[in-house]
Order: sequence, then structure tokens, then C-alpha cells
Amino acid sequence: EAGVVQSPRYKIIEKKQPVAFWCNPISGHNTLYWYLQNLGQGPELLIRYENEEAVDDSQLPKDRFSAERLKGVDSTLKIQPAELGDSAVYLCASSPRTGNTGELFFGEGSRLTVL
Amino acid sequence: QKEVEQNSGPLSVPEGAIASLNCTYSDRVSQSFFWYRQYSGKSPELIMSIYSNGDKEDGRFTAQLNKASQYVSLLIRDSQPSDSATYLCAALDTGGFKTIFGAGTRLFVKA
Repeated sequence: EAGVVQSPRYKIIEKKQPVAFWCNPISGHNTLYWYLQNLGQGPELLIRYENEEAVDDSQLPKDRFSAERLKGVDSTLKIQPAELGDSAVYLCASSPRTGNTGELFFGEGSRLTVL
Repeated sequence: QKEVEQNSGPLSVPEGAIASLNCTYSDRVSQSFFWYRQYSGKSPELIMSIYSNGDKEDGRFTAQLNKASQYVSLLIRDSQPSDSATYLCAALDTGGFKTIFGAGTRLFVKA
């Protein structure tokens, strides 16, 4: 069974530029999460989807971050414009059960560097 | 107090010893707890979950939950150099809507 797939693995951009990350969850997993992980810290939830519905986006900085999961499968996270403080690893995770069970399967992450 | 707190370490143990990793939690989390292992440059991987008071064993790993003292532990028996990683303690918030991670404890197992 294929795991959670994320791309790109690495991205370097200048500040104020846009950037987008893509995630394809494990087949059949209806719940999808985007997390942000800073160096030396644990992951922090940005947004959680149940199918195509964003059921928890309270931690998403909506002035510059947006996300979508149009068909309830793959998802895109966008930052526009990027700031220096956005440099981090963006992790996508999925879960086979509806609701937040805490049992998450993570992708390899997308490491963003903003110069 | 943060919802989930861990000592950042590093914790260094010799090969073959028992590694003990601890995590304390606040009243703002529920009674569902998880341990994730994260190798350097890799993503977190779930290794244990525990929902009730007491011990839960899986191979060389034992998770312990003490609700009265509000702490969760992970014991790794017969530690191997391949166990060297950061171990993240996580819990569901009281609403059950969000998984909250601690900052992680770095473990180093010396050969």
C-alpha cells in the first residue's frame, strides 16, 4: 500500500513569492491534515479535512495561507505571499477513520526555505 | 503550562539499556495518548497508543499512563543504536478535534 505522497520535497523561494504544496493521502483515508513543523518543535495542526470539507481550520493563517481538497482526495496548501518566518517543514497526514483519532500517517514532508 | 510537555534531551543511553521517555500533560487534553518516533530528516511514525491507565506493551516498547499524576511514559527495552531518534508525545485535545504534539525528546543510543 502506497503511503502519503507529498511534493515537492524541497522548495527554496524569495520572500513575497507564492508557493504551493501537494498531498495525496493513503487510498481510502477520508481524513487529511496539514501540519507545520519548525526545527526542534512538534508538528502543529494547520487544517483538517473530512472528505472535501475543512472541519478545523482555526490554526490556518488565512491572510496568506489557503488550502483546498476539491474532490475529497488530494489536497493543495498554498502560501501567498511567503514570509521569512514561513520557513519550516509542511507535513501532510491522513487517517482511515472519520474524526481525529490521533493515529496519523504522515508523508515525508515539504521543506520550505524562504530567503 | 503547555498541553503536552517533554524534556528536549538529549537522553543518552548505552546499547542494551532501558530508555525511559516521559511526557506530562495538562487538563486541556483528553485521555488518548500517542508516541511517535521521528528520525532525523524524516516524518513522524506512530509507534504506540494508550487510552487507559496502566501499561501497554508491544515488543520492546511499553507505554505507561498515569492519569492521577498526568504523565505518560515510553520505555524502550534493550535499546539499539537504530532507536536513536526524536520521540514525540501526542494527545487529543478535550474536544477530540485536534492532536497536540509535544516538542519531542531526542534519544541517543550509544553502541
